[in-house]
Amino acid sequence: DGGITQSPKYLFRKEGQNVTLSCEQNLNHDAMYWYRQDPGQGLRLIYYSQIVNDFQKGDIAEGYSVSREKKESFPLTVTSAQKNPTAFYLCASSIRLAGGQYEQYFGPGTRLTVT
Amino acid sequence: EDQVTQSPEALRLQEGESSSLNCSYTVSGLRGLFWYRQDPGKGPEFLFTLYSAGEEKEKERLKATLTKKESFLHITAPKPEDSATYLCAVQAPKVTGGGNKLTFGTGTQLKVEL
Repeated sequence: DGGITQSPKYLFRKEGQNVTLSCEQNLNHDAMYWYRQDPGQGLRLIYYSQIVNDFQKGDIAEGYSVSREKKESFPLTVTSAQKNPTAFYLCASSIRLAGGQYEQYFGPGTRLTVT
Repeated sequence: EDQVTQSPEALRLQEGESSSLNCSYTVSGLRGLFWYRQDPGKGPEFLFTLYSAGEEKEKERLKATLTKKESFLHITAPKPEDSATYLCAVQAPKVTGGGNKLTFGTGTQLKVEL
């Protein structure tokens, strides 16, 4: 089955600890993304990567870090510098279709709770 | 700055009662408008992408349309299983090297009752 997997589904951490969220895709998509979803707000882009070993900050990158060492993997680290880390984190990947059109697909998400 | 506004925030329908969800947008050079369905606690499920005014796409009871300022998601004869949050997003201007950044609205929460 082709798709995007995120693990774990639920994650609990104490304040001050760094935590890494996993995202893997076997869709052979070049681009991958991390979003954060909070109640009453739209999805907000944290980081994105268009090719291996390259990534760019999104709208809310402060307190987060990423790596893209393999095409299929794009882990996100939530550092202790992130002031409000409790949220639902969504990983996505996109494919460019004929004619320059794109489709972006999402993983099932990881709910992170920091206390 | 790209902006996406969805209305209504919440909508309750009786089974079989057709209606429309609205997504109005402000973007310099629309490259694509996306619709997703999201069930509670799950990731968004891709529904449609629309690229130019006048374009329409259909999937089962859903039909998406696009004008220069807004998109509508029409739901015909909805069933309880159509209950979900529907998200709209616009594609940001072209990023060097490809890929697409999306700006999302806050969604319309749809509840279809028997």
